[in-house]
Amino acid sequence: GQQLNQSPQSMFIQEGEDVSMNCTSSSIFNTWLWYKQDPGEGPVLLIALYKAGELTSNGRLTAQFGITRKDSFLNISASIPSDVGIYFCAGLYYGGSQGNLIFGKGTKLSVKP
Amino acid sequence: DSGVTQTPKHLITATGQRVTLRCSPRSGDLSVYWYQQSLDQGLQFLIQYYNGEERAKGNILERFSAQQFPDLHSELNLSSLELGDSALYFCASTRLNTGELFFGEGSRLTVL
Repeated sequence: GQQLNQSPQSMFIQEGEDVSMNCTSSSIFNTWLWYKQDPGEGPVLLIALYKAGELTSNGRLTAQFGITRKDSFLNISASIPSDVGIYFCAGLYYGGSQGNLIFGKGTKLSVKP
Repeated sequence: DSGVTQTPKHLITATGQRVTLRCSPRSGDLSVYWYQQSLDQGLQFLIQYYNGEERAKGNILERFSAQQFPDLHSELNLSSLELGDSALYFCASTRLNTGELFFGEGSRLTVL
């Protein structure tokens, strides 16, 4: 079945640094989404991408839907301590009459002040 | 606040017992998903309901079952609990089939 390979698994960075993470698959997806999970909370949607090649920003976050529809990346610029958490990519594909959502295993981000 | 309510927030029980986790979706959302997250692990999809009917099944154990009621709230039943069932259980709801899920704060289950 479809699988998402999310990397890196974890990152330890200094405050102010830029961060980049990505998700790849051997399968095509119709939608790519990025979620963030703060410690002790449920995941929250950050960015949703609907078209191949689409580049979308949300504040210091920028995400792109790969041209091949098999990958996506998320960049965070000028990281701050509250960026700490787990970032999940998710891909949606349509099989039969409905959409099927697959999550990556997450990238755990730690930010040192 | 996502609008998705999960109860209880914390639950401690013993092996062999049975528990029920409850989820109230956002107003107007017909679809409910259940996920399991073990310590430092990703989100394992368990099951999805849409307007009362099971829509998709993931890696849900036979000891687990779920249902969605006419008022759209959902319950996840976990029976014959084992130590390895200790985890965070998340419910998420959505109105559209776009992957844009709204997650509750989770129910933390500890099996001793």
